[in-house]
Amino acid sequence: KAGVTQTPRYLIKTRGQQVTLSCSPISGHRSVSWYQQTPGQGLQFLFEYFSETQRNKGNFPGRFSGRQFSNSRSEMNVSTLELGDSALYLCASSLLASGSSYEQYFGPGTRLTVT
Amino acid sequence: AQSVSQHNHHVILSEAASLELGCNYSYGGTVNLFWYVQYPGQHLQLLLKYFSGDPLVKGIKGFEAEFIKSKFSFNLRKPSVQWSDTAEYFCAVNADNYGQNFVFGPGTRLSVLP
Repeated sequence: KAGVTQTPRYLIKTRGQQVTLSCSPISGHRSVSWYQQTPGQGLQFLFEYFSETQRNKGNFPGRFSGRQFSNSRSEMNVSTLELGDSALYLCASSLLASGSSYEQYFGPGTRLTVT
Repeated sequence: AQSVSQHNHHVILSEAASLELGCNYSYGGTVNLFWYVQYPGQHLQLLLKYFSGDPLVKGIKGFEAEFIKSKFSFNLRKPSVQWSDTAEYFCAVNADNYGQNFVFGPGTRLSVLP
């Protein structure tokens, strides 16, 4: 079974631009979560989508948004990029039924550099 | 709010030494607990998980962890480390059974000397 895939793997953007990152979960997984990983803050939860609905949201500004499609693929968007948005953005999927919790499987991440 | 702390930022061991990495969380309710590992240049991989039942759980590559509810701890152990265990280790807590909001610890970097 193929793992979680993320595209692109590397991205360089300029301050003020916007960016869209994509994540394809493991086949059959319906929950997709996004995390930001930085050396200073570690892994921080951005949001989670399940059945095309955002179910949980972390403590990030509204510039960070996401969506999930009917095939469970997800995208996250960051608008008006700031230097501090430079990070590794990780997507994780899980086989999840309502009211349950399962382990998350992580993708390789998208390394975003904002200059 | 939930939080997870890991006792050591960087641990250096020689091969065959025993390993114990500490993890404590703050949350009074039911939790699911995880240890993930990130080898150099690779993505996060699940080492082991605890949902319920026997508080001593075994994972891959000879790792195990013990959940001590009274101490809010979930320490990771391995009796004899190998050079290939060099990696960063993350403890994670999921205290919301409705969603997948995982709270991760800051990570512990393990360096195993050959």
